[in-house]
Amino acid sequence: GQNIDQPTEMTATEGAIVQINCTYQTSGFNGLFWYQQHAGEAPTFLSYNVLDGLEEKGRFSSFLSRSKGYSYLLLKELQMKDSASYLCAVDAGNNRKLIWGLGTSLAVNP
Amino acid sequence: ETGVTQTPRHLVMGMTNKKSLKCEQHLGHNAMYWYKQSAKKPLELMFVYSLEERVENNSVPSRFSPECPNSSHLFLHLHTLQPEDSALYLCASSQDRQGDEKLFFGSGTQLSVL
Repeated sequence: GQNIDQPTEMTATEGAIVQINCTYQTSGFNGLFWYQQHAGEAPTFLSYNVLDGLEEKGRFSSFLSRSKGYSYLLLKELQMKDSASYLCAVDAGNNRKLIWGLGTSLAVNP
Repeated sequence: ETGVTQTPRHLVMGMTNKKSLKCEQHLGHNAMYWYKQSAKKPLELMFVYSLEERVENNSVPSRFSPECPNSSHLFLHLHTLQPEDSALYLCASSQDRQGDEKLFFGSGTQLSVL
């Protein structure tokens, strides 16, 4: 079957670094997305990885290992506004139907 | 103006009512989507339209009826819903181009069925 696993909840301190992991088992792989969703708001696109390695975008970086079925989102210099749910999704080549994780709820404390 | 606009933001309806959700995208995208987001469940794709033609229907009950009159507008018509249909309904759009399929979401309609 198709499956994505990510931790349900994480907490971190303002100014710190946090890594949110995502493992996947899918029948195909065309790329992996990370989205951020604040409570009551729309999910917003953070990153897209299709090749192995680290993609850096400001305070946020995303890593992919296709052979291990593994990705992580790295958030540096955490700010209170980073408190949100982080969704991992895989394009398994199923006609625009992404496979979504349940999301990781991150709480950033002062 | 925001990229993807959904109305209404909140909707309460009885099981015998008929209502419609509206979505409009101002990004010039070719594809539009309806997703359902429920607590403790992953996002569920309901419908996809590409260039106004439905290309995906994930076995959604017929009490949900989509309509895409043009590439900028998408509707979800609701009738005789059940309490378990209470959820956040998200509209999204994308370029629908290989290598550029990132989704742009609206803020959603929080639906409560009584």
